[in-house]
Parts: sequence; C-alpha cells; structure tokens
Amino acid sequence: EDQVTQSPEALRLQEGESSSLNCSYTVSGLRGLFWYRQDPGKGPEFLFTLYSAGEEKEKERLKATLTKKESFLHITAPKPEDSATYLCAVQAMRGYSTLTFGKGTMLLVSP
Amino acid sequence: DTGVSQDPRHKITKRGQNVTFRCDPISEHNRLYWYRQTLGQGPEFLTYFQNEAQLEKSRLLSDRFSAERPKGSFSTLEIQRTEQGDSAMYLCASSYSDRGSGNPDTQYFGPGTRLTVL
Repeated sequence: EDQVTQSPEALRLQEGESSSLNCSYTVSGLRGLFWYRQDPGKGPEFLFTLYSAGEEKEKERLKATLTKKESFLHITAPKPEDSATYLCAVQAMRGYSTLTFGKGTMLLVSP
Repeated sequence: DTGVSQDPRHKITKRGQNVTFRCDPISEHNRLYWYRQTLGQGPEFLTYFQNEAQLEKSRLLSDRFSAERPKGSFSTLEIQRTEQGDSAMYLCASSYSDRGSGNPDTQYFGPGTRLTVL
C-alpha cells in the first residue's frame, strides 16, 4: 500500500526565515510526486510534479527536490502570503493515476 | 482556461436526506476524479472516470454513494441517506493523459463542496 508521511505537521516561521518541509513516501513504482498548496476552505492548488530522483523544480520562493525515498519543499525568505497547508502526494505506476496524499504541513509565516 | 468548477460550494443537509454535487472539469481533460477531505487530513480518493467510463472506486465509496459522468463532460456525485460521518469537503480534480502513457498525470482541483450533515 502506498504511504506518504509529511513532517513537521505545523511550522511557524518569521518572515525571511528559510526552512524545508519533508515528504517521505513508499510506493511500488513511482509515476510522479506532486506538491500542492491549500488555503483554508479551498481546493488544493498545483505547485510541482517530480518523477525522477535528483530532479529539482523552482517557482518563486519555492524549490522542490526528489530522492528515491523522500521529497523536500524548500522555502526561501518566506512572506506572510506563503502561509498555507502544503500537501504532498504520490502516484503509482500500477493501476490508474489516483493520488495518495499525506496529511500536509501547515505553514504560518509571521511578519 | 476557467479551471475546474464545483457546485454548490456549501451544502447543509439533515441526516437521511439525499444530496448531489456537480463538477465541471477543464474542457479538454479526459480524466476526472472525486476525493473527500476531512479536517486535518489529506484528500482521499473516491472514484475515477476516463471519459464517461467509471474505472475505479475506492472501498471508501459505500453503496450510498454514486457518481456519473454522462457524455464524458461534467460529473455528479450523489450521496443517499446522508449520515453525520459524510460531513467533509468533496473535491473534484481533472487531468489529461494519453492512455498507456507512463508519464505523471497532473491533476488540477476545483474549489470543493463543503458538506455539513446535521
């Protein structure tokens, strides 16, 4: 069974204080690993797709990296508007392309 | 591109009533997914359509739940005889993928329908 574990559950940062979120996964054949951002009461917003160990992708203050067992979402010099829950999900090669999500990391950035 | 839309955004109902939600995917997307999310949890897969065919259903999807995607366009999710445990955010996602491709299938989510069962 595919599993995704995210840590920490919650993270509080000061504006400008860089940090990383972790996503550990087990899957029988990785088709893709996805990062989403979710604001309260809204649907997940797509950020990144990764599928090859060593791959990196960047968008503004965010950078996602992938190894064979985990992914990191690095946040550089965060701003209060980066406050949200960040969700990690995996998609297996077998079967259909359903996503298995972790519980997310709730990030709060204070000014 | 208007994105995935869902209607209604909020639904309050009494236990035992039936409810129906609608999802309109991104127009060129051939795959459509339903997920359910409760507070503090990530979304959990419910069911999947490739065009108009329902190809996979989760064990979470009891007999009280039914989904359709007529003509491979919009989809509806109906819950019969609602229970308090059905209270959750119901999310719809869509994607486009070539059949048999091993590439990642990136799914785009709608805003969700928040269901409260009293």
